Amino acid sequence: SQTIHQWPATLVQPVGSPLSLECTVEGTSNPNLYWYRQAAGRGLQLLFYSVGIGQISSEVPQNLSASRPQDRQFILSSKKLLLSDSGFYLCAWSQPRAGHYGYTFGSGTRLTVV
Amino acid sequence: DQQVKQNSPSLSVQEGRISILNCDYTNSMFDYFLWYKKYPAEGPTFLISISSIKDKNEDGRFTVFLNKSAKHLSLHIVPSQPGDSAVYFCAAHKAAGNKLTFGGGTRVLVKP
Repeated sequence: SQTIHQWPATLVQPVGSPLSLECTVEGTSNPNLYWYRQAAGRGLQLLFYSVGIGQISSEVPQNLSASRPQDRQFILSSKKLLLSDSGFYLCAWSQPRAGHYGYTFGSGTRLTVV
Repeated sequence: DQQVKQNSPSLSVQEGRISILNCDYTNSMFDYFLWYKKYPAEGPTFLISISSIKDKNEDGRFTVFLNKSAKHLSLHIVPSQPGDSAVYFCAAHKAAGNKLTFGGGTRVLVKP
């Protein structure tokens, strides 16, 4: 069966520090991978998605970047965090095919930038 | 440009009664719709979906209705239970697309 792992669960980082959040998927190959952010009291905002190794699509201009160094690994990074980067970050995977377009989400990372 | 909208940010309902969550979309290219449930500090979990070729899909206490002409879908939960208290997101998928577009969510509180 497929599983998705996302870590860490919580993170408190000072403004200006770097960030690296990691997500891995097991039990499948060539998944589509996604990074979402949920700001406090807000909806789910798509940040990045990837349909293959090294292929990254950015949805919104921001202080963050994403990389996919391996088929089932997706990394969210920042060189210098801003206060506005605080939020709940979610990784998800999917393998779209007719009638099956849903995502499976990880458990999320609560990032607080102080 | 919000292509998927959930206009009610919150909903309060008595246990045992029906919860009705609404979702509107603007893009006629969406062909598949999903509802997700999210508890605090957890990732969303899939609840129920519907293809654009259908107008209703039912799974236990959960029923999703789709009105394509109105570009509107709704989720009915009956009977509502305290464990249903969560944030519910509707999402839409475009034919041949790679991503889901989510609404802003509706927070449901089921009172015992």
